[in-house]
Amino acid sequence: DAGVIQSPRHEVTEMGQEVTLRCKPISGHNSLFWYRQTMMRGLELLIYFNNNVPIDDSGMPEDRFSAKMPNASFSTLKIQPSEPRDSAVYFCASSFFEPGKREKTYNEQFFGPGTRLTVL
Amino acid sequence: AQKITQTQPGMFVQEKEAVTLDCTYDTSDPSYGLFWYKQPSSGEMIFLIYQGSYDQQNATEGRYSLNFQKARKSANLVISASQLGDSAMYFCAMRERSSGSRLTFGEGTQLTVNP
Repeated sequence: DAGVIQSPRHEVTEMGQEVTLRCKPISGHNSLFWYRQTMMRGLELLIYFNNNVPIDDSGMPEDRFSAKMPNASFSTLKIQPSEPRDSAVYFCASSFFEPGKREKTYNEQFFGPGTRLTVL
Repeated sequence: AQKITQTQPGMFVQEKEAVTLDCTYDTSDPSYGLFWYKQPSSGEMIFLIYQGSYDQQNATEGRYSLNFQKARKSANLVISASQLGDSAMYFCAMRERSSGSRLTFGEGTQLTVNP
């Protein structure tokens, strides 16, 4: 398996522009996560999906951020308009989750390589 | 309140020695899992080891072991025989059954292995 695939790996854009980050989870996984990592705030969960449905988007900073998962093999995180404070590394991760099961198997999250976003 | 606390922003160890990275957690859910991830300077997040709240024995994966003390709510990572390639940021994380599949991460510990 190729693992979690993210594109682009690097993005440099100007303030006010729209940015779209893409993620392809591992085949067979049913949970997908978007994280943001900065020096100041560490690793933050922005949003996650189970079976393509957004479950918790409380980490999304504001309305400029939106995420979609139209099918099990693709997700996007969009920032419109972008601002310099959005500069960060954005990770996508996926895992297989069985709701209602007692926590006994690790089903770890596999992370993509990240997208380093710079907003000038 | 912080759910995951890593009190050591930075740690140093000599090559070939063992090192312990601390992690304490806070949860009222009886069913939870604890994870450790490694993030080298290249940036990728690498899963290292897992401990379930009902596991009777401490988890081990090669040179990594997890010192799980449930009553103290601690899940320290022990790396034996440190190697230069172990220099990285290490994150402790927790998944609570009540929170679905989400992970909560600590702030991380930067480990430097000296030759």
